[in-house]
Amino acid sequence: AQSVTQPDIHITVSEGASLELRCNYSYGATPYLFWYVQSPGQGLQLLLKYFSGDTLVQGIKGFEAEFKRSQSSFNLRKPSVHWSDAAEYFCAVASYNNNDMRFGAGTRLTVKP
Amino acid sequence: GAVVSQHPSWVICKSGTSVKIECRSLDFQATTMFWYRQFPKQSLMLMATSNEGSKATYEQGVEKDKFLINHASLTLSTLTVTSAHPEDSSFYICSALAGGSTDTQYFGPGTRLTVL
Repeated sequence: AQSVTQPDIHITVSEGASLELRCNYSYGATPYLFWYVQSPGQGLQLLLKYFSGDTLVQGIKGFEAEFKRSQSSFNLRKPSVHWSDAAEYFCAVASYNNNDMRFGAGTRLTVKP
Repeated sequence: GAVVSQHPSWVICKSGTSVKIECRSLDFQATTMFWYRQFPKQSLMLMATSNEGSKATYEQGVEKDKFLINHASLTLSTLTVTSAHPEDSSFYICSALAGGSTDTQYFGPGTRLTVL
């Protein structure tokens, strides 16, 4: 069964600084990979996804993620963080038909002024 | 596009009562919907997969008689928490699978259930 590890429970960055959130996955076949963001009390918003093709994926709100098969990683990056980016970020992996999505534990992002 | 709604957004009920939560795909048809549970400051745990017109598939450890799921149409799935107890208090989130060559789950805003 697939699984996801987000090693960082909580990250604090200054506004304007760069950001990288780590995600490692375990899956026997080619995974479908996702990053979602959740603001307090809200549902999940899809930031970006990777199914195949170019391993550098561009998402909304200026986020990007890079799929590295050799490292089983799908790290999320943003060159300059805004205060509004403070939220919980979840990495997820699913099978080819998206019927078995598993989430990481999440990384809480705090943005300092 | 691809909007999923949930109703109610929050509910408080007494122990022993049943609560129904609705999940609707507003602008697309969803043959498959999912129900997740999220405890405070924790990740989402898949509870069950709901397919239109058939019985839901429950994850291991989820009581199917306690969490009744009905997916009667291509735009509506319901989760009924029967005989709710305080330990059922949680944030329940549904998602709907949009078809096409790049299937993606779209998530509802969640329902906060508090059982007194």
